[in-house]
Formats: sequence, C-alpha cells, structure tokens
Amino acid sequence: EAQVTQNPRYLITVTGKKLTVTCSQNMNHEYMSWYRQDPGLGLRQIYYSMNVEVTDKGDVPEGYKVSRKEKRNFPLILESPSPNQTSLYFCASRPRGTGGFYEQYFGPGTRLTVT
Amino acid sequence: RKEVEQDPGPFNVPEGATVAFNCTYSNSASQSFFWYRQDCRKEPKLLMSVYSSGNEDGRFTAQLNRASQYISLLIRDSKLSDSATYLCVVNRRDSNYQLIWGAGTKLIIKP
Repeated sequence: EAQVTQNPRYLITVTGKKLTVTCSQNMNHEYMSWYRQDPGLGLRQIYYSMNVEVTDKGDVPEGYKVSRKEKRNFPLILESPSPNQTSLYFCASRPRGTGGFYEQYFGPGTRLTVT
Repeated sequence: RKEVEQDPGPFNVPEGATVAFNCTYSNSASQSFFWYRQDCRKEPKLLMSVYSSGNEDGRFTAQLNRASQYISLLIRDSKLSDSATYLCVVNRRDSNYQLIWGAGTKLIIKP
C-alpha cells in the first residue's frame, strides 16, 4: 500500500529534551516536506527536500532541523523543543515535477505537546 | 494580509443544501490551485484540482477567477459525510512552486 508513515503519532515532552519525528514514504517520491498546523493558521511549511541531500527552509524553520540521507526518509529534529512548538505536524511527499501540479500525500500526523 | 484567505466558518448547512466556499490569493504568479479536504484530526487529502476553465467532479464544482484572484468550491446536494474542513491551496511559482495553504473553512452538515 502506498503511504507516508510518521512516528510517533503522539508525544508529550519537556522543554529542552531533544526529539526526532520520523517520516518514511514508499512511493519513490523525490519531494518531501514537513508542515505544522495550528488553529487559525493553516498548514505552514517548516522544511522541504527536493531530493536526497537537498533540503531547504520553508516558512517557519526556526527551531527545527531535517536531513535527507535516503530517498524514503525525512526525519524532523527538534534539538531543544519549546512550548511554542506544541502543534500538529504532518510529513508529506509527492513526485518532484515542476509547477506543484502533483498531489501531495500526507502522513497521519504527529501531535506534539511541549511542557 | 495572508497569502491565501478563507472564511473560517463554520458553515452550518442542512443536508441536501448547496454550499459555496470562496478563497482569495495574493500572489498573481500562482499557477496551480487545489481544494483539499481534512477530517477532524486527520491528514489533508486532495479533493480536486482547479483548472482555468472550471471543473466538476460529481457533486463538486471548482472555479478559478484569475483576474480577481479567487477560487471557489460548490457542493451540491450536501451529505452528512461532507462535514469536514476544506482547505484552499495555491502554489508559489517564485519559490520552487511551494504550496501555500489557507486556514480552511469548516463545514457542518446537519440532518
């Protein structure tokens, strides 16, 4: 089954404790991205990757890191989480193409709470 | 001003009614437009792309007005299962075609 998986689905942590949210897709997509979703603000892109070893900042990259060592995986790293990073996080992938015409496939989401 | 704006709703609509959503965007260079549907606490899923000539998929009709920079979604004969949040999405041509997401319009269909 074609899918994007994320883990963990739910996480409660404390300020400053490093964490990683994993993302994996089995569709051989070149393009992957991370979003956060907050009430009233919609989805905001954190980072994206157009291919292996190529990553770029999105609109809200502060406090996050990513890596793309393999095509299928795109982990999101919070080195020192803070309460303002409490949010619902989605990983997404799509074929590379230009023009953004391709459908994005999303993982099920990770609900993160930082106390 | 947000790049993509939608009425947050909620729209409370009786089953069987027709409901319309509008969305405005500010980047005139945008060239791809979509409607996604998001059920409560779930991931967004593509509902339909929006083409310049307008397009229809069953009970759903999408329209694009480039001159006024708005997109619309019409749902006819609404069903209880249409209850969800509808997200307007526009690409940003001048930045690697990144997608810009509206905050969504919540639709509640009542029996």
